[in-house]
Amino acid sequence: QSVLTQPPSVSAAPGQKVTISCSGSSSNIGNHYVSWYQQLPGTAPKLLIYDNNKRPSGIPDRFSDSKSGTSATLDITGLQTADEADYYCGTWDSTLSGVVFGGGTKLTVL
Amino acid sequence: EVHLVESGGGLIQPGGSLRLSCAASGITVRNSYLSWVRQAPGKGLEWVSLIYTDGSILYSESVRGRFSISRDNSKNTLNLQMNSLRAEDTAVYYCARGTGINWSFDYWGQGTLVTVSS
Repeated sequence: QSVLTQPPSVSAAPGQKVTISCSGSSSNIGNHYVSWYQQLPGTAPKLLIYDNNKRPSGIPDRFSDSKSGTSATLDITGLQTADEADYYCGTWDSTLSGVVFGGGTKLTVL
Repeated sequence: EVHLVESGGGLIQPGGSLRLSCAASGITVRNSYLSWVRQAPGKGLEWVSLIYTDGSILYSESVRGRFSISRDNSKNTLNLQMNSLRAEDTAVYYCARGTGINWSFDYWGQGTLVTVSS
């Protein structure tokens, strides 16, 4: 059971917007920045967002995040079939003194 | 360009030991925040251990006392010594570089599969 809670799956049509939620507590999301990762089948995770909506080079601005209290959300606009993947949130947990991840959300682009 | 290449995975019996290595290029392990993250088959990501540039080390509760992270500056590699292996340690093990304020991981290796089974 993951420390951070994500919906198992979300879906939307090409061109639409989808939101993936990540819920935690004051020891993690409530006091730390959240990172978001995309994992395509059979590949390593790829960093999408970190440190309050920063994107690594090459990540389009279709990907953005926000945070409110102990929850964070990843927004993906202009959905493409290539966006079909598993998405994970992660952050630091002060109580556990380590990194924690959500259980992952499978995005289906219908 | 940064590359991380893991090796050392394989099939091991419960109770056995295995040593994973992660060869780094494009970065210096001595000057990098590095971590091991694992993923059991069909499951999500699980953080295992990390090492700071000052040599400070942290472990997840599930591996503390059994796993040991280290770095070999001369070979520019990150290592993970895994002892007393259990079936639940079966996973793909990734090494990853930490960045940002709260241990985001911007570079990942391709992973190495560890299977603990009799």
